[in-house]
Amino acid sequence: GAVVSQHPSWVICKSGTSVKIECRSLDFQATTMFWYRQFPKQSLMLMATSNEGSKATYEQGVEKDKFLINHASLTLSTLTVTSAHPEDSSFYICSARDPSGDNTEAFFGQGTRLTVV
Amino acid sequence: GNSVTQMEGPVTLSEEAFLTINCTYTATGYPSLFWYVQYPGEGLQLLLKATKADDKGSNKGFEATYRKETTSFHLEKGSVQVSDSAVYFCARGGLTGGGNKLTFGTGTQLKVEL
Repeated sequence: GAVVSQHPSWVICKSGTSVKIECRSLDFQATTMFWYRQFPKQSLMLMATSNEGSKATYEQGVEKDKFLINHASLTLSTLTVTSAHPEDSSFYICSARDPSGDNTEAFFGQGTRLTVV
Repeated sequence: GNSVTQMEGPVTLSEEAFLTINCTYTATGYPSLFWYVQYPGEGLQLLLKATKADDKGSNKGFEATYRKETTSFHLEKGSVQVSDSAVYFCARGGLTGGGNKLTFGTGTQLKVEL
């Protein structure tokens, strides 16, 4: 199946700093990528839909100025957590769909564990 | 609203035991349904899927049948192995665009012991 790579797999940062997470589709072009957040023992929550060449679509309750999404190319989307606080500590996962393949399957990155201290 | 409910874990089984992880969904219409698996330290992988009522998805000995009467998509395996230890997520797709927008259950951790 298609491969989605996420980097870094874990990061620790100080409060007030910004952290960038990358999501790459390695063997296909993804016009749309999705960013999820997972709290301990909870479900994955869709944060936003990243659209190549246009603005991301954020889910209700997600601060767009806090979680900046850039999808500058067909293989790369980035999520930047700005002015991070301890409550932003979470597991962030991206996914993408290969438009040339099965229309129903989404491929996921391995996730990024963010810890804000 | 649209949601996915799956049984809470953790579930601990002995090797070769029968596995059932319940999953029910709410939605108007007939969304695609999925089971994803997350092995320790890895991302989510699609385990199986069903795109319409009465479809049965199967992979690696796991099965799930799309039941519109009971709005369920329970995951089953006849004989689990230690290597099946992972977290399993039930998910439903959006009503348009197939799996583009997924709604996940909370995940069920499975631990299989010798």
